[in-house]
Amino acid sequence: AQTVTQSQPEMSVQEAETVTLSCTYDTSESDYYLFWYKQPPSRQMILVIRQEAYKQQNATENRFSVNFQKAAKSFSLKISDSQLGDAAMYFCAYRSVFSGGYNKLIFGAGTRLAVHP
Amino acid sequence: NAGVTQTPKFQVLKTGQSMTLQCAQDMNHNSMYWYRQDPGMGLRLIYYSASEGTTDKGEVPNGYNVSRLNKREFSLRLESAAPSQTSVYFCASGGTATYEQYFGPGTRLTVT
Repeated sequence: AQTVTQSQPEMSVQEAETVTLSCTYDTSESDYYLFWYKQPPSRQMILVIRQEAYKQQNATENRFSVNFQKAAKSFSLKISDSQLGDAAMYFCAYRSVFSGGYNKLIFGAGTRLAVHP
Repeated sequence: NAGVTQTPKFQVLKTGQSMTLQCAQDMNHNSMYWYRQDPGMGLRLIYYSASEGTTDKGEVPNGYNVSRLNKREFSLRLESAAPSQTSVYFCASGGTATYEQYFGPGTRLTVT
């Protein structure tokens, strides 16, 4: 079975600086998807970024980028120019390509990010 | 588009009471999901429905039942609530053409 591990329960960063959140996963599959979701105090789960395992190029969405190391099974999230609104819980998630007609997600335990002015 | 909506937002139950959490999506997605979120454990899948008329157990189904009423609606029922079911519950939906899921705002349930 696949597992997702986020080893940093809490992180902090100064406004305008860069922070990297770590995620590792375990799978025997060769094709899959990885996601980072953001959960602000409002509780809403917001998709931040998506990476397809068969693509070697790291995904980027504005200030958010990933460092995807397939051999190491590592999927870290880099937030550049951090803003106060980035303060939230961040979840890493895994989705197998071969799970049939449904999109079952496996989540890590989350990393709480604090942003200091 | 409202996306995924859930009702209620908050609920307090006494042990042994029953209730149904409602979820609806307007994105014409085939798949719908119910998760629970507990501190330090991320989100865990309770039940899912790959399409209208089908439901399957996820990782933590005990104490819950679900109904896929139609393509839009997927409800979660607690027949006899227990304090261990105190949690935040999320409904989500996903299409077959995309791989991400879209989440509702969550329901905070407390069982005393």
